[in-house]
Amino acid sequence: DAEITQSPRHKITETGRQVTLACHQTWNHNNMFWYRQDLGHGLRLIHYSYGVQDTNKGEVSDGYSVSRSNTEDLPLTLESAASSQTSVYFCASTDGNTGELFFGEGSRLTVL
Amino acid sequence: AQSVTQLGSHVSVSEGALVLLRCNYSSSVPPYLFWYVQYPNQGLQLLLKYTSAATLVKGINGFEAEFKKSETSFHLTKPSAHMSDAAEYFCAVIEGGTSYGKLTFGQGTILTVHP
Repeated sequence: DAEITQSPRHKITETGRQVTLACHQTWNHNNMFWYRQDLGHGLRLIHYSYGVQDTNKGEVSDGYSVSRSNTEDLPLTLESAASSQTSVYFCASTDGNTGELFFGEGSRLTVL
Repeated sequence: AQSVTQLGSHVSVSEGALVLLRCNYSSSVPPYLFWYVQYPNQGLQLLLKYTSAATLVKGINGFEAEFKKSETSFHLTKPSAHMSDAAEYFCAVIEGGTSYGKLTFGQGTILTVHP
């Protein structure tokens, strides 16, 4: 079965360190998204991509970057982790036909 | 820009009682609307969606939602709550049509079901 996987599922890091969260999907979807989930804020869009070499900023993109070198992967990088970036991060993808997003199981990041 | 407001961050019901989770949207164009459910320590999964066809949409696990343009609402209901319905529920609206898939989510409503 096709799926979307995130790694690591849990990570603890220190302020100032670079962190990369991986996202891999096997649906061959062109559209991929990164959201962060925080209590009281729901899910907020960080970055998204509509295809290889395409990346776009979402509403909370400061301090994050993404790259899209192939269809399957959209890694999210925190250039210099801050305590405000402690959150649960979700990757999602869609084929663009139904509007339905398929989500990974999330990566819980703690920045100390 | 489109937005979604979910009224009530927490809703508590008894098992067997009606579930009503409220969602209002703001959109300058006909919207596509979704309800997602998130069980503890899991990602989100689609419950149901409205894409301009029938205004009453049926989803999984006995849930349904009615699109009311005059009230700009898309409330989620279930006639009889089950313990397994305890989860967090998110209403979402899509921007740019389904071909782009860029959803804007509400703040979420945590549903608690008491025995």
